Amino acid sequence: GAVVSQHPSRVICKSGTSVKIECRSLDFQATTMFWYRQFPKKSLMLMATSNEGSKATYEQGVEKDKFLINHASLTLSTLTVTSAHPEDSSFYICSASGTSGYNEQFFGPGTRLTVL
Amino acid sequence: GENVEQHPSTLSVQEGDSAVIKCTYSDSASNYFPWYKQELGKRPQLIIDIRSNVGEKKDQRIAVTLNKTAKHFSLHITETQPEDSAVYFCAASRNSGNTPLVFGKGTRLSVIA
Repeated sequence: GAVVSQHPSRVICKSGTSVKIECRSLDFQATTMFWYRQFPKKSLMLMATSNEGSKATYEQGVEKDKFLINHASLTLSTLTVTSAHPEDSSFYICSASGTSGYNEQFFGPGTRLTVL
Repeated sequence: GENVEQHPSTLSVQEGDSAVIKCTYSDSASNYFPWYKQELGKRPQLIIDIRSNVGEKKDQRIAVTLNKTAKHFSLHITETQPEDSAVYFCAASRNSGNTPLVFGKGTRLSVIA
Protein backbone atom coordinates (compact mmCIF):
# COMPACT_ATOMS: atom_id res chain seq x y z
CA GLY A 1 0.00 0.00 0.00
CA ALA A 2 0.88 3.67 -0.17
CA VAL A 3 3.37 4.93 2.39
CA VAL A 4 3.29 8.25 4.18
CA SER A 5 6.11 9.33 6.42
CA GLN A 6 6.16 12.06 9.01
CA HIS A 7 9.09 13.74 10.68
CA PRO A 8 9.90 14.20 13.46
CA SER A 9 8.07 11.49 15.35
CA ARG A 10 8.50 13.28 18.63
CA VAL A 11 9.51 16.81 19.58
CA ILE A 12 9.83 18.67 22.84
CA CYS A 13 10.22 22.40 22.70
CA LYS A 14 10.10 25.47 24.90
CA SER A 15 7.11 27.75 24.93
CA GLY A 16 7.38 30.47 22.29
CA THR A 17 9.42 28.50 19.79
CA SER A 18 8.26 27.29 16.38
CA VAL A 19 8.15 23.68 15.30
CA LYS A 20 7.99 22.34 11.76
CA ILE A 21 6.50 18.94 10.95
CA GLU A 22 7.00 17.31 7.57
CA CYS A 23 4.64 14.92 5.86
CA ARG A 24 5.82 13.00 2.79
CA SER A 25 4.14 10.59 0.44
CA LEU A 26 6.90 8.17 -0.44
CA ASP A 27 5.59 6.17 -3.36
CA PHE A 28 2.71 8.15 -4.79
CA GLN A 29 1.77 11.69 -5.65
CA ALA A 30 -0.54 13.28 -3.13
CA THR A 31 -2.72 15.95 -4.65
CA THR A 32 -4.31 16.57 -1.28
CA MET A 33 -2.96 16.25 2.22
CA PHE A 34 -4.85 16.65 5.46
CA TRP A 35 -3.60 17.67 8.89
CA TYR A 36 -5.30 16.34 12.01
CA ARG A 37 -4.75 16.93 15.68
CA GLN A 38 -5.56 14.35 18.31
CA PHE A 39 -5.66 15.06 22.04
CA PRO A 40 -5.35 12.18 24.53
CA LYS A 41 -8.32 9.81 24.43
CA LYS A 42 -10.02 11.93 21.80
CA SER A 43 -10.80 11.55 18.14
CA LEU A 44 -8.93 12.99 15.19
CA MET A 45 -9.93 16.56 14.51
CA LEU A 46 -9.30 18.00 11.07
CA MET A 47 -7.19 21.15 11.16
CA ALA A 48 -6.79 21.92 7.48
CA THR A 49 -6.89 20.59 3.95
CA SER A 50 -3.82 21.24 1.86
CA ASN A 51 -3.77 21.11 -1.92
CA GLU A 52 -0.52 21.20 -3.84
CA GLY A 53 0.29 24.68 -5.08
CA SER A 54 -2.57 26.47 -3.39
CA LYS A 55 -3.45 27.88 0.00
CA ALA A 56 -4.66 25.53 2.66
CA THR A 57 -8.27 25.48 3.75
CA TYR A 58 -8.53 25.74 7.52
CA GLU A 59 -11.31 24.41 9.70
CA GLN A 60 -13.28 26.77 11.86
CA GLY A 61 -11.40 27.64 15.02
CA VAL A 62 -7.96 26.80 13.65
CA GLU A 63 -5.73 29.88 13.42
CA LYS A 64 -4.06 29.99 10.02
CA ASP A 65 -1.37 32.39 11.26
CA LYS A 66 -0.45 30.03 14.05
CA PHE A 67 -0.53 26.78 12.09
CA LEU A 68 1.25 27.50 8.82
CA ILE A 69 0.77 24.89 6.13
CA ASN A 70 2.80 24.64 2.97
CA HIS A 71 2.22 22.06 0.23
CA ALA A 72 4.93 22.96 -2.23
CA SER A 73 5.12 19.65 -4.08
CA LEU A 74 3.03 16.57 -4.74
CA THR A 75 4.99 14.63 -2.14
CA LEU A 76 5.56 17.08 0.69
CA SER A 77 3.43 19.14 3.01
CA THR A 78 4.68 20.92 6.11
CA LEU A 79 2.91 22.15 9.22
CA THR A 80 4.64 24.83 11.29
CA VAL A 81 3.34 25.50 14.76
CA THR A 82 4.43 29.07 15.44
CA SER A 83 5.01 30.44 18.92
CA ALA A 84 4.00 27.14 20.45
CA HIS A 85 2.37 27.07 23.88
CA PRO A 86 1.65 24.17 26.25
CA GLU A 87 -1.94 23.97 25.03
CA ASP A 88 -0.58 23.12 21.56
CA SER A 89 0.85 19.89 22.96
CA SER A 90 -0.87 17.14 21.02
CA PHE A 91 -0.46 14.31 18.52
CA TYR A 92 -0.37 15.73 14.99
CA ILE A 93 -1.14 13.33 12.14
CA CYS A 94 -1.11 13.96 8.43
CA SER A 95 -2.81 11.95 5.75
CA ALA A 96 -2.47 11.95 2.01
CA SER A 97 -4.91 11.24 -0.74
CA GLY A 98 -3.72 10.09 -4.13
CA THR A 99 -4.90 10.74 -7.64
CA SER A 100 -7.10 7.67 -8.07
CA GLY A 101 -10.29 9.64 -7.58
CA TYR A 102 -11.31 7.59 -4.56
CA ASN A 103 -11.07 8.99 -1.09
CA GLU A 104 -8.85 6.40 0.58
CA GLN A 105 -6.43 8.26 2.79
CA PHE A 106 -3.07 7.07 3.97
CA PHE A 107 -1.93 8.23 7.37
CA GLY A 108 1.51 9.21 8.53
CA PRO A 109 2.82 7.80 11.83
CA GLY A 110 2.13 11.02 13.70
CA THR A 111 4.22 13.56 15.59
CA ARG A 112 3.98 13.88 19.35
CA LEU A 113 4.53 17.55 20.25
CA THR A 114 5.22 18.53 23.82
CA VAL A 115 5.55 22.21 24.63
CA LEU A 116 7.12 22.96 27.99
CA GLY B 1 -21.28 19.75 7.03
CA GLU B 2 -21.00 16.10 7.89
CA ASN B 3 -21.49 14.91 11.46
CA VAL B 4 -20.65 11.37 12.54
CA GLU B 5 -21.92 9.86 15.77
CA GLN B 6 -20.36 6.67 17.14
CA HIS B 7 -21.57 4.29 19.86
CA PRO B 8 -20.65 2.91 22.28
CA SER B 9 -17.67 4.89 23.56
CA THR B 10 -16.36 1.86 25.42
CA LEU B 11 -17.03 -1.83 24.89
CA SER B 12 -15.78 -4.84 26.82
CA VAL B 13 -16.30 -8.36 25.50
CA GLN B 14 -15.08 -11.79 26.45
CA GLU B 15 -12.58 -13.39 24.14
CA GLY B 16 -14.39 -15.29 21.41
CA ASP B 17 -17.53 -13.17 21.59
CA SER B 18 -18.61 -10.69 18.92
CA ALA B 19 -18.30 -6.92 19.08
CA VAL B 20 -20.51 -4.44 17.26
CA ILE B 21 -19.86 -0.72 16.90
CA LYS B 22 -22.41 1.57 15.29
CA CYS B 23 -22.13 4.92 13.54
CA THR B 24 -24.60 7.34 12.05
CA TYR B 25 -23.89 10.16 9.64
CA SER B 26 -25.78 13.25 8.57
CA ASP B 27 -24.67 14.08 5.03
CA SER B 28 -26.70 12.07 2.52
CA ALA B 29 -24.01 12.81 -0.09
CA SER B 30 -21.40 10.84 1.86
CA ASN B 31 -20.58 7.61 0.12
CA TYR B 32 -17.28 6.39 1.54
CA PHE B 33 -17.19 4.85 5.02
CA PRO B 34 -13.89 3.54 6.38
CA TRP B 35 -13.14 2.00 9.76
CA TYR B 36 -9.82 2.51 11.50
CA LYS B 37 -8.10 0.74 14.36
CA GLN B 38 -5.72 2.82 16.44
CA GLU B 39 -3.36 1.52 19.07
CA LEU B 40 -1.90 3.84 21.66
CA GLY B 41 0.53 6.33 20.13
CA LYS B 42 0.21 4.86 16.66
CA ARG B 43 -1.36 5.98 13.42
CA PRO B 44 -4.91 4.91 12.54
CA GLN B 45 -4.89 1.76 10.44
CA LEU B 46 -7.59 1.12 7.88
CA ILE B 47 -9.20 -2.23 8.65
CA ILE B 48 -12.14 -2.18 6.28
CA ASP B 49 -14.12 0.29 4.22
CA ILE B 50 -17.35 0.31 2.31
CA ARG B 51 -18.71 2.44 -0.48
CA SER B 52 -22.35 3.28 -0.96
CA ASN B 53 -22.91 0.94 -3.86
CA VAL B 54 -22.82 -2.09 -1.54
CA GLY B 55 -24.65 -2.93 1.65
CA GLU B 56 -22.18 -5.30 3.25
CA LYS B 57 -18.54 -6.20 3.04
CA LYS B 58 -16.62 -8.90 4.87
CA ASP B 59 -12.97 -9.63 5.43
CA GLN B 60 -12.33 -12.70 7.57
CA ARG B 61 -13.52 -11.83 11.11
CA ILE B 62 -14.44 -8.27 10.23
CA ALA B 63 -17.58 -7.10 8.46
CA VAL B 64 -19.22 -3.76 7.81
CA THR B 65 -22.85 -3.12 6.96
CA LEU B 66 -24.29 0.04 5.49
CA ASN B 67 -27.88 1.28 5.48
CA LYS B 68 -27.96 4.38 3.30
CA THR B 69 -31.65 5.00 3.89
CA ALA B 70 -31.18 5.18 7.62
CA LYS B 71 -27.69 6.71 7.27
CA HIS B 72 -25.97 4.29 9.57
CA PHE B 73 -23.17 1.78 9.27
CA SER B 74 -21.77 -0.78 11.65
CA LEU B 75 -18.58 -2.71 12.29
CA HIS B 76 -18.84 -6.34 13.33
CA ILE B 77 -15.90 -8.26 14.74
CA THR B 78 -16.45 -11.96 15.34
CA GLU B 79 -14.41 -14.38 17.44
CA THR B 80 -12.67 -11.49 19.18
CA GLN B 81 -9.10 -11.91 20.36
CA PRO B 82 -7.08 -9.92 22.92
CA GLU B 83 -5.11 -8.32 20.10
CA ASP B 84 -8.34 -6.76 18.84
CA SER B 85 -8.21 -4.48 21.89
CA ALA B 86 -7.74 -0.91 20.59
CA VAL B 87 -9.68 2.23 19.77
CA TYR B 88 -11.85 1.98 16.68
CA PHE B 89 -12.96 4.99 14.65
CA CYS B 90 -15.58 5.19 11.97
CA ALA B 91 -15.46 7.95 9.37
CA ALA B 92 -17.47 9.26 6.46
CA SER B 93 -16.80 11.41 3.44
CA ARG B 94 -17.89 12.16 -0.06
CA ASN B 95 -16.17 10.17 -2.75
CA SER B 96 -13.73 12.85 -3.78
CA GLY B 97 -9.99 12.80 -3.32
CA ASN B 98 -9.87 16.26 -1.80
CA THR B 99 -12.69 15.76 0.68
CA PRO B 100 -11.59 15.18 4.25
CA LEU B 101 -12.81 12.35 6.43
CA VAL B 102 -15.09 13.19 9.32
CA PHE B 103 -14.41 10.87 12.24
CA GLY B 104 -16.62 9.54 14.98
CA LYS B 105 -15.45 9.96 18.57
CA GLY B 106 -14.09 6.44 18.77
CA THR B 107 -14.86 3.25 20.66
CA ARG B 108 -12.40 1.74 23.09
CA LEU B 109 -12.71 -2.02 22.71
CA SER B 110 -11.33 -4.30 25.41
CA VAL B 111 -11.27 -8.02 24.78
CA ILE B 112 -10.95 -9.91 28.05
CA ALA B 113 -9.08 -13.20 27.92
